[in-house]
Amino acid sequence: EAGVTQFPSHSVIEKGQTVTLRCDPISGHDNLYWYRRVMGKEIKFLLHFVKESKQDESGMPNNRFLAERTGGTYSTLKVQPAELEDSGVYFCASSPPPAGANVLTFGAGSRLTVL
Amino acid sequence: QKEVEQNSGPLSVPEGAIASLNCTYSDRGSQSFFWYRQYSGKSPELIMFIYSNGDKEDGRFTAQLNKASQYVSLLIRDSQPSDSATYLCAVRTGFQKLVFGTGTRLLVSP
Repeated sequence: EAGVTQFPSHSVIEKGQTVTLRCDPISGHDNLYWYRRVMGKEIKFLLHFVKESKQDESGMPNNRFLAERTGGTYSTLKVQPAELEDSGVYFCASSPPPAGANVLTFGAGSRLTVL
Repeated sequence: QKEVEQNSGPLSVPEGAIASLNCTYSDRGSQSFFWYRQYSGKSPELIMFIYSNGDKEDGRFTAQLNKASQYVSLLIRDSQPSDSATYLCAVRTGFQKLVFGTGTRLLVSP
């Protein structure tokens, strides 16, 4: 069984540019989460999808971040325009219904460096 | 005060010893408690979770929960060099999201 796949593994962009991160969850996993780890800090929740619906986006930092999950399969997280403080590792995780947050499988993460 | 607190370490133990990792949390309404292991540059992997006060054992791992003290721990028996990693404590407070600590780095020396 394929795990959670994230792309790209590392992205280096300049302040003001746009980056789109992609996550392919495990097949059949309705729940999809985005988390972020900024250097030296803890992993923090960004948002939660159930299929294509946003269930909780309370962790999204501001309106420069846009997450989508069209069709309830893969998800994208766009940062536009990127700022220096957006640098960090963005993790995607998925779980099957009804496990929810109790049994998360994480991807390897997408490291974002904003210069 | 952080919602979930862990000592960053490193915690160094010799091979074969018991490693004890600790975590405290601030929200008394927290319902579920998780331990994840993360090797450098890799994804966090769920080791085990616990809901009820007391101990829960899975192989060499034992999670301990004390809700009155808002304290959760992970014991690793017969520690192996391959156990060297960062151990993340996470708490679910009733919503479908986890709150993580910053992690404790464990080093097991041969």
